[in-house]
Amino acid sequence: EVQLVETGGGLAQPGGSLRLSCAASGFTFRTDWMSWVRQAPGKEPEWVANIKEDGSEDYYVESVRGRFTISRDNTKNSLYLQMNSLRGEDSALYYCARDGDGYANWGQGTLVIVSP
Amino acid sequence: EIVMTQSPATLSVSPGERATLSCRASQSVSSRLAWYQQKPGQAPRLLIHSASTRATGIPARFSGSGSGTEFTLSISSLQSEDFAVYYCQQYYHYKTFGQGTKVEIK
Repeated sequence: EVQLVETGGGLAQPGGSLRLSCAASGFTFRTDWMSWVRQAPGKEPEWVANIKEDGSEDYYVESVRGRFTISRDNTKNSLYLQMNSLRGEDSALYYCARDGDGYANWGQGTLVIVSP
Repeated sequence: EIVMTQSPATLSVSPGERATLSCRASQSVSSRLAWYQQKPGQAPRLLIHSASTRATGIPARFSGSGSGTEFTLSISSLQSEDFAVYYCQQYYHYKTFGQGTKVEIK
């Protein structure tokens, strides 16, 4: 069974930083692209970033480019999102998702709140 | 950025009736289109990918059609568990989601 478990969310000050982690199991992590997707309350999901199987390519939504960094450790079956210079509009539930033709697997999400 | 527009925003349907949801892309996304169902407190669930292919375990009452810029999700006979919010998503160029259609009980 595929499992994705996100951790690392919490309360951060504007301008602050957080690092999210996602532990993957139940599939061959090193052979799949992975994504971070966020969803603010009452809003549609928003793709944030994704990363190639070997970590050699990564892509970001315009609003986080230069502030967020996606990375992975295939030896630990783990995905990360380093979030710097946080803003109020970054507040959301952050999901880790297995990339493909659509997102067939999602974690339960970790909540990020950016507030003074 | 490819903008996805869903209609209607809310669809009121009686159980057992057919529901038809629409999704339009601001430019062609070929068949790189997915549909999701989301219930409160849950992550989105993949229903359809590649515009018309049902994901693993999805009942046959869900069907998708379209290509290019116009897409449709049909639910042939609504069951109680189908009342939820539905999103379309393109993955042709990066990934973007529509704003959602809420299917509610009439």
